[in-house]
Amino acid sequence: GENVEQHPSTLSVQEGDSAVIKCTYSDSASNYFPWYKQELGKRPQLIIDIRSNVGEKKDQRIAVTLNKTAKHFSLHITETQPEDSAVYFCAASMVRANYQLIWGAGTKLIIKP
Amino acid sequence: GAGVSQSPRYKVAKRGQDVALRCDPISGHVSLFWYQQALGQGPEFLTYFQNEAQLDKSGLPSDRFFAERPEGSVSTLKIQRTQQEDSAVYLCASSLASLSETQYFGPGTRLLVL
Repeated sequence: GENVEQHPSTLSVQEGDSAVIKCTYSDSASNYFPWYKQELGKRPQLIIDIRSNVGEKKDQRIAVTLNKTAKHFSLHITETQPEDSAVYFCAASMVRANYQLIWGAGTKLIIKP
Repeated sequence: GAGVSQSPRYKVAKRGQDVALRCDPISGHVSLFWYQQALGQGPEFLTYFQNEAQLDKSGLPSDRFFAERPEGSVSTLKIQRTQQEDSAVYLCASSLASLSETQYFGPGTRLLVL
């Protein structure tokens, strides 16, 4: 079955610096890759997503890149702010599985003031 | 408009007790998913509904877990004879169409089995 690996498990960066989180997936049929942000005790919130026909997508300080050949995708956060501190999850899904999400284990992002 | 809601938000059960967790999806959303999230881990898929039809229940961990969505709107996840390993946050998500990628999550139900 599909498997998603996410690294690192914890990432600590200075406020204002950039943060990069990487994920790899196993099933080449995966075609949709969302990123969710989850603050402690709260619901996962979609922050950005990318489809397999696109290599990169950007939304203000957040960007996602996808390398289909290597089967990996990354989240980039620039000019980090304290409110970016949270756990970030990548996920992969495919239409043949009704878009059920296969999740990475999460990255705890800590922004140091 | 209103988002996905879940109730109760917290549930403490004694081992062996049955529990029922409710999910109210966004109005008009066709697809509904249940996920289980253990502490410090990513969510794991449990089951999927398209309207009232349960199209995939491959993620349900045992026959003690049962889900239904009889009218294609509200869904209930029932756990019979709860065990300590059932302790987790149970997340519900809905999406607009049957092949719509974006899922919107509820706040989850935190279940603690003593």
